[in-house]
Amino acid sequence: DVKVTQSSRYLVKRTGEKVFLECVQDMDHENMFWYRQDPGLGLRLIYFSYDVKMKEKGDIPEGYSVSREKKERFSLILESASTNQTSMYLCASRGSSSYNSPLHFGNGTRLTVT
Amino acid sequence: DQQVKQNSPSLSVQEGRISILNCDYTNSMFDYFLWYKKYPAEGPTFLISISSIKDKNEDGRFTVFLNKSAKHLSLHIVPSQPGDSAVYFCAASYGGTSYGKLTFGQGTILTVHP
Repeated sequence: DVKVTQSSRYLVKRTGEKVFLECVQDMDHENMFWYRQDPGLGLRLIYFSYDVKMKEKGDIPEGYSVSREKKERFSLILESASTNQTSMYLCASRGSSSYNSPLHFGNGTRLTVT
Repeated sequence: DQQVKQNSPSLSVQEGRISILNCDYTNSMFDYFLWYKKYPAEGPTFLISISSIKDKNEDGRFTVFLNKSAKHLSLHIVPSQPGDSAVYFCAASYGGTSYGKLTFGQGTILTVHP
């Protein structure tokens, strides 16, 4: 079974702090994704990566950056956290570039910015 | 611009009856559709998918129907069980998107009463 692990289940940060959300997958997948889930808005793509050191913006990249130095690890960075970034953050991976293979998700990190 | 829409935020059904969850899309380029299920405090898990070359796909109690002319898909669960209570997301992609990114709907909360 594919395992996608997000390092924190819950985080509370202050406005203006730099925040790191970490994600690790154990199946040597090329593609990794960061989504956020908000009530009434579903899952929205922030950034994704298709290889080490490669990244592309998703639909809502503003206020975020990412890092992928190793194949198994994909980090989401909030450069200066704001209250509107309070959300559930979900990391996902996929082994093939084929667009019709499902994503495998981690259990999420619920971030609260006060 | 919400390209994938789930217009029913919630659905309540009795155990043993049919659950029908609906999803509409606006982008005619989408040619692959998926349903994910999400329990609280867990990441979404893949449930069932359908390619645009089909109009129906079955997997046990779950059947997905696709009506391309109406840009509409639905998920049928028969018979419904209390363990099916979760949030259901539909998602869509097409071969032209960057590395097959998925566009998700807002989600429908299904509650199955014993």
